[in-house]
Amino acid sequence: DAGVTQSPTHLIKTRGQQVTLRCSPKSGHDTVSWYQQALGQGPQFIFQYYEEEERQRGNFPDRFSGHQFPNYSSELNVNALLLGDSALYLCASSLPTGMGYTFGSGTRLTVV
Amino acid sequence: AQSVSQHNHHVILSEAASLELGCNYSYGGTVNLFWYVQYPGQHLQLLLKYFSGDPLVKGIKGFEAEFIKSKFSFNLRKPSVQWSDTAEYFCAVTWIKAAGNKLTFGGGTRVLVKP
Repeated sequence: DAGVTQSPTHLIKTRGQQVTLRCSPKSGHDTVSWYQQALGQGPQFIFQYYEEEERQRGNFPDRFSGHQFPNYSSELNVNALLLGDSALYLCASSLPTGMGYTFGSGTRLTVV
Repeated sequence: AQSVSQHNHHVILSEAASLELGCNYSYGGTVNLFWYVQYPGQHLQLLLKYFSGDPLVKGIKGFEAEFIKSKFSFNLRKPSVQWSDTAEYFCAVTWIKAAGNKLTFGGGTRVLVKP
């Protein structure tokens, strides 16, 4: 049990569509980060949410947006999907200090 | 921009061999250092972490890592690998800042242990 729950586990979308991925953090964690892991690469930081605000953002276009709810759960939204958005999307929860992250099993997104 | 580099993309070795995976990070002040492992089809799991103190850190499954500040390195070692150590290994770094502590990953090293 990863402690962090992501849904769905797999998703197939068509180019141009929009997708929403969901994450429930580990109990006691209030900070949620999202990562994109393309095949054969390390996870790339998308953004981090704390207190329902985007606290940090990586080098991703505005098509990638997110939200954090009062219960600390989070959503990642991607608009106008491109083939290159196909990847494993990982959610990680932590405390704001960044001294320990717990990762979910990810959502495998395939864009066709 | 801060970065993390892992020297080997693929490593193949036999059971009982010793393993050392290199990791270097760019300068940017105080850091927290991590090694994660990703077994096939599973989520990222923390092997070990370094925040401060003894630069030789022991983790789970017999792994250890040494922080060498002067070399900006945090290499992972295991004296004797098993077939079950076949996985992808990621080094990750957090540069401590006033706000936001994102985790930056290296590109990963895929390790195959032959029985």
